[in-house]
Amino acid sequence: SAVISQKPSRDICQRGTSLTIQCQVDSQVTMMFWYRQQPGQSLTLIATANQGSEATYESGFVIDKFPISRPNLTFSTLTVSNMSPEDSSIYLCSVVASGRGSSYNEQFFGPGTRLTVL
Amino acid sequence: AQSVTQLDSHVSVSEGTPVLLRCNYSSSYSPSLFWYVQHPNKGLQLLLKYTSAATLVKGINGFEAEFKKSETSFHLTKPSAHMSDAAEYFCVVTPMDSSYKLIFGSGTRLLVRP
Repeated sequence: SAVISQKPSRDICQRGTSLTIQCQVDSQVTMMFWYRQQPGQSLTLIATANQGSEATYESGFVIDKFPISRPNLTFSTLTVSNMSPEDSSIYLCSVVASGRGSSYNEQFFGPGTRLTVL
Repeated sequence: AQSVTQLDSHVSVSEGTPVLLRCNYSSSYSPSLFWYVQHPNKGLQLLLKYTSAATLVKGINGFEAEFKKSETSFHLTKPSAHMSDAAEYFCVVTPMDSSYKLIFGSGTRLLVRP
């Protein structure tokens, strides 16, 4: 299993500024993902961030807006750049690790970062 | 393209009564399907996963789901609801090009009345 922490847990930011969200895992993992959950909606995958390669972005998300770093196997950051109120969401990171008491890998999620842009 | 449809945005049950959360999937191949639960102000937790080994999948906290290919459904059930089950539930499918990229349904909020 994997225990994931995110910083900050929440923030209120001004329009036009940027915020960097940190994701820390208690074990080394290859595969890491960043998701967005807009208010009252489901989760949408932003990008896949595997260590040793450039992040792969999903349709509708671009590196200039959501730059990602993955310096090692336990850490990643997502930056939300030039923010607008439409960026107000919960941002979650997830990793793939061995499931608890199971033989297959499962995806574990961090607690999320709740971002409000004024 | 793969997708999941959760048929109910809200489900309300009385404590001690059965729970049924409905999910239909769309996939041109045999999918991997999941149910995740999200409690208020908490992270997502995996309830169960269908991996084609068995059509009836048992998960944590007494939940189970049955994969029905003929109906393209993966409904989540529990015989007796508990107050602590009140949460948001997501049905999830993985696309063919990656077994780890998750596609989430719109979610069903389960309310449990005393």
